[in-house]
Parts: sequence; C-alpha cells; structure tokens
Amino acid sequence: GNSVTQMEGPVTLSEEAFLTINCTYTATGYPSLFWYVQYPGEGLQLLLKATKADDKGSNKGFEATYRKETTSFHLEKGSVQVSDSAVYFCALIATSGNTPLVFGKGTRLSVIA
Amino acid sequence: DTEVTQTPKHLVMGMTNKKSLKCEQHMGHRAMYWYKQKAKKPPELMFVYSYEKLSINESVPSRFSPECPNSSLLNLHLHALQPEDSALYLCASSQDPPGRSGNTIYFGEGSWLTVV
Repeated sequence: GNSVTQMEGPVTLSEEAFLTINCTYTATGYPSLFWYVQYPGEGLQLLLKATKADDKGSNKGFEATYRKETTSFHLEKGSVQVSDSAVYFCALIATSGNTPLVFGKGTRLSVIA
Repeated sequence: DTEVTQTPKHLVMGMTNKKSLKCEQHMGHRAMYWYKQKAKKPPELMFVYSYEKLSINESVPSRFSPECPNSSLLNLHLHALQPEDSALYLCASSQDPPGRSGNTIYFGEGSWLTVV
C-alpha cells in the first residue's frame, strides 16, 4: 500500500540553523508529494508540492526535491526562524486507488532564539 | 485564492446536543472533505464528497452526518457525541476528486470541538 515515513520529532534548533526533515514514501505509480505545515492552534497550510520526479517545490525559504530513485522528498531550509516553529507533515497523493491523501506522522519543530 | 472557510472556530457541546460544523469554498472545487485530527496526530479522513455526492465514508459512526447542500458548501451534523470525539475537525477541498494526477488538497483553519 501507499505510505509515508518521516523523521520522528521533536526537532529543536537555534535560530538561523539549517533544517532538514527527512521524508520517504512507498507508492505505486507516480504520486504527487506535499509538505503541509500546522502552526500552533491552526489548520493545515500547504507549504510546497512536487508532482513529478526531479521537481523542486519551494515556498517561504523551504525547499524539497522529488527524488524517485531514493523515493524521498526531504524538506530543507537554510536558516530557520522562531516563526517556523510548527508541525510539518509530509504527504502524498497516489495516482492509483481512491485514498485522497496519505500523511506521515508529522515532525514538530521548535526554533529557539 | 485557495481559501476554505470553516465555522465556528470553537464549539463546546454536551453529549445530548445537536450542532453543525460548516465549511465553504468558492474556488469551484469539485471535491470536499472532512478530516478529524487528534492532538499530535496527522489528520484522519472521515468523508469525501465528489460532485456533491458522498464518495468515501471511512466507517465513521452515524453520530456524524455529512451533508453537501451545493458545490460550495459542506456541513457536518453532530448528534449524541462522546467526549472522545473532542478534536480538531478540518474541512478541505480539491479541484478534482481523489485519484487524479496532480490534484492538490487545501485545508481550512479547522473547528475545535469539545464534547462535555
């Protein structure tokens, strides 16, 4: 079946540190890949997406590249801010089957000043 | 504009009450979703409406009753809930129904439900 595995948190970083949150997936066909962010007390916001191999999604300084050979979609940011503190979910939409969105378990990021 | 609007933002209800959560989108999306999210967990799918018809029901108890009055609106009617139903309820929408390549799902801010 389709699944997403992302690194367990929590992750605690100092401001301006480099961020990587690992995400790997299992899916048949060619899924679309997503990162969603959930700030405290809020809903989910789409952070970035990629729909085919080698695509790079980017937004707000965050980037992730769709790597089919390693079935990965790692999230990176060069310099995190306190305002980036949130829970980050990696997710996929498979091109087969009827499941709308498959989520990873989420990674909580805390950035301290 | 990728806005999904949910009301109310917070709801406290007793176990014998009947209440409703409402969701609206004006993006012309043809699929709408209800998700339930417990603390420190990813969202769990409850229902999917495609072209205003219920297409997926993830074995949700009948005390949750979805309704899609038109292509822009989605309701979730609540009756005789239990304290364990307290959670964040998220509405979402997408241009296409599930299974389409390139589809993207957009979420609302959620409704925080507390059952007492």
